[in-house]
Amino acid sequence: NAGVTQTPKFRVLKTGQSMTLLCAQDMNHEYMYWYRQDPGMGLRLIHYSVGEGTTAKGEVPDGYNVSRLKKQNFLLGLESAAPSQTSVYFCASSYPDRGHEKLFFGSGTQLSVL
Amino acid sequence: DAKTTQPNSMESNEEEPVHLPCNHSTISGTDYIHWYRQLPSQGPEYVIHGLTSNVNNRMASLAIAEDRKSSTLILHRATLRDAAVYYCILNGGATNKLIFGTGTLLAVQP
Repeated sequence: NAGVTQTPKFRVLKTGQSMTLLCAQDMNHEYMYWYRQDPGMGLRLIHYSVGEGTTAKGEVPDGYNVSRLKKQNFLLGLESAAPSQTSVYFCASSYPDRGHEKLFFGSGTQLSVL
Repeated sequence: DAKTTQPNSMESNEEEPVHLPCNHSTISGTDYIHWYRQLPSQGPEYVIHGLTSNVNNRMASLAIAEDRKSSTLILHRATLRDAAVYYCILNGGATNKLIFGTGTLLAVQP
């Protein structure tokens, strides 16, 4: 049982390049989330999804796009990477449970934009 | 949005109890108090949550003040593996309101 798997684990981009981060979960969770974590700051929600085919903006959505074509996958895209997007990205998933949700996190993707 | 306030850092000695405080003075009646922890170079992991009553599980205990404006995560016997950042967050059931602050960095001394 893998839980939440993120690929890749590390990536270095040049400014202006594009890339997609993949998150896969095998727990049949309805909800999925993308967070970013910068040094000295907590996790900030980028986008989230409450089900297949649905996405919504979180706290810091600018510069990112997401897609949830399959229930088990949640993709985070950077169309034109900027140095300000250098961060550690975490994906999470959960069941909807009206306040009882327990988020299961992946191990993160370290992204550096030069 | 209801926010939480935690000390930036705390220290403990191995095998001693640790009490990690969290203030949430603007908590609403439907907000559950959740705790997560983040070990070095890992994603956060769920620890415990509660609404009004104190809660215990194999990882920790959660003590909630009677007015619900504060709570305390209790690690009964700290180990070196408990060194982590501990986050106290409020979950009112709104998916986009799961706000993780900067948490408390717990250092455990041998």
